[in-house]
Amino acid sequence: NAGVMQNPRHLVRRRGQEARLRCSPMKGHSHVYWYRQLPEEGLKFMVYLQKENIIDESGMPKERFSAEFPKEGPSILRIQQVVRGDSAAYFCASSPLTTNTGELFFGEGSRLTVL
Amino acid sequence: GESVGLHLPTLSVQEGDNSIINCAYSNSASDYFIWYKQESGKGPQFIIDIRSNMDKRQGQRVTVLLNKTVKHLSLQIAATQPGDSAVYFCAESQGHQGGKLIFGQGTELSVKP
Repeated sequence: NAGVMQNPRHLVRRRGQEARLRCSPMKGHSHVYWYRQLPEEGLKFMVYLQKENIIDESGMPKERFSAEFPKEGPSILRIQQVVRGDSAAYFCASSPLTTNTGELFFGEGSRLTVL
Repeated sequence: GESVGLHLPTLSVQEGDNSIINCAYSNSASDYFIWYKQESGKGPQFIIDIRSNMDKRQGQRVTVLLNKTVKHLSLQIAATQPGDSAVYFCAESQGHQGGKLIFGQGTELSVKP
């Protein structure tokens, strides 16, 4: 049973370019979460999605960031016109239903470096 | 000017000793408290959780203690092994908010053989 799959694992972009990060949840999981982690810091919640719905995007920056989880295919976190401050590790997590315990299954992360 | 990097709190223990990692949380309304382990270059891995109506919960080699009076959470690891070396994060959640977790800063555990 494959875990949460994220790709790419490493991504390098120049300022102004777009970054697209993909996440396939564990089989049978319909809830996806994106978190961002700066070096030597904890993870910060960004967005919570179900298939075709954004449930909570309270952690998403107001501009340049968007997320989707289409009916078919992986969830995508999109960052437009990247800046150096976007450099971070982006983690996706999934859960089978709405978890009320906080047990999430995390992927290995996508590490974005903006030059 | 130059930015100053943050340094994680570190805990260094001898193999076989017990480890205690502490965490202060912020929100009195949180229902669940969770410990995650993150090895270098990997995603966080769930260790154990505890509901707010409990004060202690035990797993395999791990125990979580919750003191709501002082908003304090701790993770105890018995007979610490080199494989336990990682960064440990506490997190809190409100049940109705699903997997929206608030993570603490993290503590780096280093186990000396």
